[in-house]
Amino acid sequence: DQQVKQNSPSLSVQEGRISILNCDYTNSMFDYFLWYKKYPAEGPTFLISISSIKDKNEDGRFTVFLNKSAKHLSLHIVPSQPGDSAVYFCAATGQGGSEKLVFGKGTKLTVNP
Amino acid sequence: DAGITQSPRHKVTETGTPVTLRCHQTENHRYMYWYRQDPGHGLRLIHYSYGVKDTDKGEVSDGYSVSRSKTEDFLLTLESATSSQTSVYFCAISRLRVETQYFGPGTRLLVL
Repeated sequence: DQQVKQNSPSLSVQEGRISILNCDYTNSMFDYFLWYKKYPAEGPTFLISISSIKDKNEDGRFTVFLNKSAKHLSLHIVPSQPGDSAVYFCAATGQGGSEKLVFGKGTKLTVNP
Repeated sequence: DAGITQSPRHKVTETGTPVTLRCHQTENHRYMYWYRQDPGHGLRLIHYSYGVKDTDKGEVSDGYSVSRSKTEDFLLTLESATSSQTSVYFCAISRLRVETQYFGPGTRLLVL
């Protein structure tokens, strides 16, 4: 049973436009959410996170939105740059204080020049 | 960047051979994790450690064992490698129980 779902395996956008990556979760005990970016042949790198007490967190070009009632979060990248082309993983934790992260399967973002 | 190294970075081995992967950190973080990444599966937790000699199973622990005798080192052992264990293995660390995890560069393992 997949607790964290990224239903779009891939996304292609034009440079300068907005990229929106989506993530859904099923476990209502999750209370901390993260996005990681992964380039080929490298380890995932932390991008941005959000606690369930917030509905938005912003860091430069990256904004994460959390809709707890819909169990949905999204990552917005504005403006998108070719260097943003990577696989993006959504992850969740909490579950009453669990140290484990549960990852989605990832979305491959391609930003075209 | 968090000080995490993994060794070896690449390994080719044969079915039935034992294999040990090493994760080394210089951050003195309490928590360490081993994940595998496979196409169509994302990142899946194999085992994790919450302190020296304290370990627990993750989602896909069958066929794997771990050991942590020092804060800085976390070893993953494939007792008898199988082709289904061909994967990319990532180590991660975190300072607190519920906190951002930071990943190492990965080990690419091919079991023939």
